[in-house]
Amino acid sequence: QVQLVQSGAEVKKAGSSVKVSCKASGGTFSSYSLNWVRQAPGQGPEWMGRTIPMFGITMYAQKFQGRVTITADKSTGTAYMDLSSLRSEDTAVYYCARGPPDTAMVTGMDVWGQGTTVTVSS
Amino acid sequence: QSVLTQPPSVSGAPGQRVTISCTGSSSNIGAGYDVQWYQQFPGTAPKLLIYATNNRPSGVPDRFSGSKSGTSASLAITGLQAEDEADYYCQSYDSSLSGVVFGGGTKLTVL
Repeated sequence: QVQLVQSGAEVKKAGSSVKVSCKASGGTFSSYSLNWVRQAPGQGPEWMGRTIPMFGITMYAQKFQGRVTITADKSTGTAYMDLSSLRSEDTAVYYCARGPPDTAMVTGMDVWGQGTTVTVSS
Repeated sequence: QSVLTQPPSVSGAPGQRVTISCTGSSSNIGAGYDVQWYQQFPGTAPKLLIYATNNRPSGVPDRFSGSKSGTSASLAITGLQAEDEADYYCQSYDSSLSGVVFGGGTKLTVL
């Protein structure tokens, strides 16, 4: 059974960047997509983008285009999410989640990491 | 402002049936895209509850069911239990945004 294990909490200054990792243990990425979803305090989840490591495909939510970079290292089974030009509104819990490879993700995101809290201070 | 609209809260007594609505538009649910539902407890990651509108992953009780009509979808919970008290989120795909979208969430209180 695949588990996704994320890196620890981060405190960043406004204007800097943060890189969060997500390692698949007990399995591989296979043909799944690896999604990044964030959740600000008291808010609903917000999808940021995804990568399909097997096919080298990456896509981003329009809101984050140009500010987020999602990569994956197939050899180590680790995915990364890099968010730049941080502002206070980026303070949130960031999750990685496994999903299907199809664009509409009809089978949903079935395995989630434990979440990484990113706090942005001015 | 979420693309998918959910009521902020619903409540019900143990044993009752409750429904949570999720209203979208012609570029997501109305376009025929499936709806997923997630359950989230405080301080934990969301858990997939329903996928492809009305399918349950292994281990999810059949008290949970999903449906869709037009530009809206619903999650129904029958035989309400205290342990069902959580936040629930709907999710779909939006062709105008070319991305995955979520609802703002509904807090279920078991009275």
